[in-house]
Amino acid sequence: DADVTQTPRNRITKTGKRIMLECSQTKGHDRMYWYRQDPGLGLRLIYYSFDVKDINKGEISDGYSVSRQAQAKFSLSLESAIPNQTALYFCATSDFAGPGETQYFGPGTRLLVL
Amino acid sequence: GENVEQHPSTLSVQEGDSAVIKCTYSDSASNYFPWYKQELGKGPQLIIDIRSNVGEKKDQRIAVTLNKTAKHFSLHITETQPEDSAVYFCAASIGGGGNKLTFGTGTQLKVEL
Repeated sequence: DADVTQTPRNRITKTGKRIMLECSQTKGHDRMYWYRQDPGLGLRLIYYSFDVKDINKGEISDGYSVSRQAQAKFSLSLESAIPNQTALYFCATSDFAGPGETQYFGPGTRLLVL
Repeated sequence: GENVEQHPSTLSVQEGDSAVIKCTYSDSASNYFPWYKQELGKGPQLIIDIRSNVGEKKDQRIAVTLNKTAKHFSLHITETQPEDSAVYFCAASIGGGGNKLTFGTGTQLKVEL
């Protein structure tokens, strides 16, 4: 979905390096999410933010941090990358509109930690 | 917290046949159940959803059924086509402010010619 963009699309890094994955959206949504996808494990929530001043941990936040720089921007950082953080990372957005909320996903960032 | 199990992990069908993917959830308070389709190289995209006050919902060739008593829901795709080949994820949440989606582990559907 062109409304949610992620940079970079692919990244190779070495163990111990700090890296940042960026997400931008033009949908005007308040809520943003970072997920990790691993084969056989589905999508697991890392962090989420319901507005610029709100940051919450998901189920697998250890080793990650986030920054919500603006309504449209939500960045994920790996402070000291390790090989088991090799995965496909997705950013998503949603707009609260009552029961149930559609999440709109970006195209993903494929990260390889050597 | 919520736990969502999804089966099968892979599914191969002939073009024109039907495909069924099943999910179970653990939290009886969950009341919103979306299904997402992920095509190769892309992010997941919502294809259909159902809320707990409804037992079935249809949209052309796809339908979702919900059994609240048994805490399971299913995706049905009829007259499958090659473009239906993708990974499908079910999810569950307690709909409303402050709640999040818990995803199943995904089903790789392959529609063979």
